[in-house]
Amino acid sequence: AQKITQTQPGMFVQEKEAVTLDCTYDTSDQSYGLFWYKQPSSGEMIFLIYQGSYDEQNATEGRYSLNFQKARKSANLVISASQLGDSAMYFCAMREGLTGNQFYFGTGTSLTVIP
Amino acid sequence: DSGVTQTPKHLITATGQRVTLRCSPRSGDLSVYWYQQSLDQGLQFLIQYYNGEERAKGNILERFSAQQFPDLHSELNLSSLELGDSALYFCASSVGGARLETQYFGPGTRLLVL
Repeated sequence: AQKITQTQPGMFVQEKEAVTLDCTYDTSDQSYGLFWYKQPSSGEMIFLIYQGSYDEQNATEGRYSLNFQKARKSANLVISASQLGDSAMYFCAMREGLTGNQFYFGTGTSLTVIP
Repeated sequence: DSGVTQTPKHLITATGQRVTLRCSPRSGDLSVYWYQQSLDQGLQFLIQYYNGEERAKGNILERFSAQQFPDLHSELNLSSLELGDSALYFCASSVGGARLETQYFGPGTRLLVL
């Protein structure tokens, strides 16, 4: 089974609108961390936001927020007030706290912001 | 700019050859991670070093090896290169070795094997 699933290969959003990028994960660990990264066309990976499995509040970082639903094992990224510079690939990732050695990435979602 | 540097930015080589990719972590970070990003495999974790010691191993081939030096920079050695090794290789760093720390990525090295 896939550890991280991103079911939206591509998304479009109008500038200034909000968009939600989906991510579901699979783990039996109680302690784990969820991460979102942005990869523009230039190729670098940019850290956006982190959510720990024990965090009770949803993480927020500026225009980014993480909609964490533990029972559903989902960690969706919400980008508010989209900007043209948000056009990029977005990757959801997970690291398991107790048993895992690996850092698992999803296949990514390509977001295009339309003016 | 994440503060992680990688050299070279681009590398073109032939099958059967050996190359070395270099990474300098952010100032103060003790952990270095290596990743491979290819079109067919996506982003794959290869290996992690913490303060000079191997900490975790992922999907790293036996033809590949890495090390972290006393000054904390790291090198990834790829040998007997095959066409399928063409990929973007990322280095990332984090403060310590804790599993749930955020990793900051370098700009990557694009390797093309002809």
